[in-house]
Amino acid sequence: SYVLTQPPSVSVAPGQTARITCGGNNIGSKSVHWYQQKPGQAPVLVVYDDSDRPSGIPERFSGSNSGSTATLTISRVEAGDEADYYCQVWDSTSDHHVVFGGGTKLTVL
Amino acid sequence: QVQLVESGGGVVQPGGSLRLSCAASGFTFSGYGMHWVRQAPGKGLEWVAFVRSDGSSRCYADSVKGRFTISRDNSKYTLYLQMNSLRTEDTAVYYCAKGMYYFDSWGQGTLVTVSS
Repeated sequence: SYVLTQPPSVSVAPGQTARITCGGNNIGSKSVHWYQQKPGQAPVLVVYDDSDRPSGIPERFSGSNSGSTATLTISRVEAGDEADYYCQVWDSTSDHHVVFGGGTKLTVL
Repeated sequence: QVQLVESGGGVVQPGGSLRLSCAASGFTFSGYGMHWVRQAPGKGLEWVAFVRSDGSSRCYADSVKGRFTISRDNSKYTLYLQMNSLRTEDTAVYYCAKGMYYFDSWGQGTLVTVSS
């Protein structure tokens, strides 16, 4: 089955740029979606279809996808961005369809 | 606005059964695929099951196949997850989520604890 690999943790100072990667075999050929989850809360979609933002999500959140790596970029990081971030794809080649990455804990120093 | 409200969670012994419900409002329920996603304590997100908008197709994670059944009643705007032969490793918060290829709305989750 398809596997998505994320770094367990990323740390960044306020005002800097955070980049969270999601690796997968030829992931560039799939659409990648990203979720933010704060402690005790349900996940929230922050980027879909590689680089689109739902309404209400700040422009500071952006995404890209090429080759074997997709990336969620958070510009001008704020303390409120500290959360777990998960990438996800729909794998049409398998019966399981939905695959999540293991998640990345973003720490704002 | 879209609302998804899960219910039915609780404490159950290994081998027992539980039925979760997800009441939807704020959108045309019959027009969207729906999923169940779970999260064990301190762990990441794990996809559980999916049902197409008209209920014609369903699929499951290997970890629950043969034990869990996803269903929906479009007239009641409700999604279900029947969980049988529960195991300790099924302990998790269970979320219902709207969408097919990605999840644009999530419920607040319901906790299922499998313990003797």
